[in-house]
Amino acid sequence: GQNIDQPTEMTATEGAIVQINCTYQTSGFNGLFWYQQHAGEAPTFLSYNVLDGLEEKGRFSSFLSRSKGYSYLLLKELQMKDSASYLCAVNSNSGYALNFGKGTSLLVTP
Amino acid sequence: NAGVTQTPKFRILKIGQSMTLQCTQDMNHNYMYWYRQDPGMGLKLIYYSVGAGITDKGEVPNGYNVSRSTTEDFPLRLELAAPSQTSVYFCASIGQDELNEQFFGPGTRLTVL
Repeated sequence: GQNIDQPTEMTATEGAIVQINCTYQTSGFNGLFWYQQHAGEAPTFLSYNVLDGLEEKGRFSSFLSRSKGYSYLLLKELQMKDSASYLCAVNSNSGYALNFGKGTSLLVTP
Repeated sequence: NAGVTQTPKFRILKIGQSMTLQCTQDMNHNYMYWYRQDPGMGLKLIYYSVGAGITDKGEVPNGYNVSRSTTEDFPLRLELAAPSQTSVYFCASIGQDELNEQFFGPGTRLTVL
């Protein structure tokens, strides 16, 4: 089966750093994705990890440990516009379709 | 490129009605997907296609049908709408050379009353 877990909600302060964790148990693995989704909008791609380690892209970084079935998304220098839902997804073997977690709703406060 | 486009943006259906959600991509992508997203939930795969003429079921296919007669188009058909199909529907695609990113359409918000 497919099981992807992430916290439901998080709150952080503007300018701070926040880490959103994701654990997964899936029958196939072709990579792990993080998407950002603002309310009423489509998901937008943030990062992709297929090998263990840290991928950095500006204020956003993503880490993967395949042996632990674990990933995190790190957001630095938080801005109010970072308030959104963050979706962890694993690329399965089924035609490269994505299996999504339920998403973490991040609220950035002044 | 327009990317992935979906029509309509919003629709209200009565129970038992049918409709087709349209999805088109102009990036010559082989792989296309339909997901649904219920409030507070992640996306769930309905159907997918790895190329023209080839479709397969995802996690939640019941009540839906798809076709893929061209590379560009991947319509999703609801034959007998039910309240449980009230959701936001997203179409997505990836190219053979870009397997590390799925491009999503803007979504169709469907309400069945």
